[in-house]
Amino acid sequence: AQRVTQPEKLLSVFKGAPVELKCNYSYSGSPELFWYVQYSRQRLQLLLRHISRESIKGFTADLNKGETSFHLKKPFAQEEDSAMYYCAPPPSSGGYNKLIFGAGTRLAVHP
Amino acid sequence: NAGVTQTPKFQVLKTGQSMTLQCAQDMNHEYMSWYRQDPGMGLRLIHYSVGAGITDQGEVPNGYNVSRSTTEDFPLRLLSAAPSQTSVYFCACGTPPSYEQYFGPGTRLTVT
Repeated sequence: AQRVTQPEKLLSVFKGAPVELKCNYSYSGSPELFWYVQYSRQRLQLLLRHISRESIKGFTADLNKGETSFHLKKPFAQEEDSAMYYCAPPPSSGGYNKLIFGAGTRLAVHP
Repeated sequence: NAGVTQTPKFQVLKTGQSMTLQCAQDMNHEYMSWYRQDPGMGLRLIHYSVGAGITDQGEVPNGYNVSRSTTEDFPLRLLSAAPSQTSVYFCACGTPPSYEQYFGPGTRLTVT
C-alpha cells in the first residue's frame, strides 16, 4: 500500500529563514507526488506536483528516489506561508483507489 | 464555474440524528471523494467514486453512506451521528491523467 509520512506536525520558523517540510513515501513504482496547502479557513489547493518541476510561491520540491523523499523547500519564509501543508501520492497504478494524504505539517512563520 | 461546492458550511447535530452533506461539482470530473480532517490525523478518505453509479470505501467508511447518481453530485450521509464524527468534511473531485484533487470549502460538523 502507498504510504506517505510527514514526520513533523509543526514547523515554526522566523520570517526570512529557510524552510524544509519533510515528506517520505513508501511504495513501489514510479512515484508522482503532490504538495497541497491549506491557508487558514480556506480549502485545500494544489501547491506543487513533482512531475511539473515548477516553483510556486518560491517553493520547490525535489523527488529523491534514493531517500524516497519529496521534501518541500523555500529559501526565505514569509509570514503568508503560514498554513497546513499536505504531501500526497497519486492513486495507485491500478486506478483511483484510496488516495492517501500525509498527516500534514503546520508551518508557522513568525515576524 | 463554481468548481466544487458544499452545503451546509456549518452543522450541529445531536447524537443519533441523521443528515446528508451535499457536494456538487461543475468541472465534469469523473472522480469524487469525501475526506474528514481531524487535528493530528490529517485528511482521511471516507468514500470515493470513480464515476456515476460506482462508489467504494476509503480508510474510514463506518457510519457513512454515499451514492453517485450523477457525475455532478456526491452526497455523504451520516446514518446515526456520533460525537466521534465531529470533524471538518471536505469533498474533492479529480480526473485522470493528472489526478490533481480540487477541493470544496468544507463542512464543519459538530455532534453533541
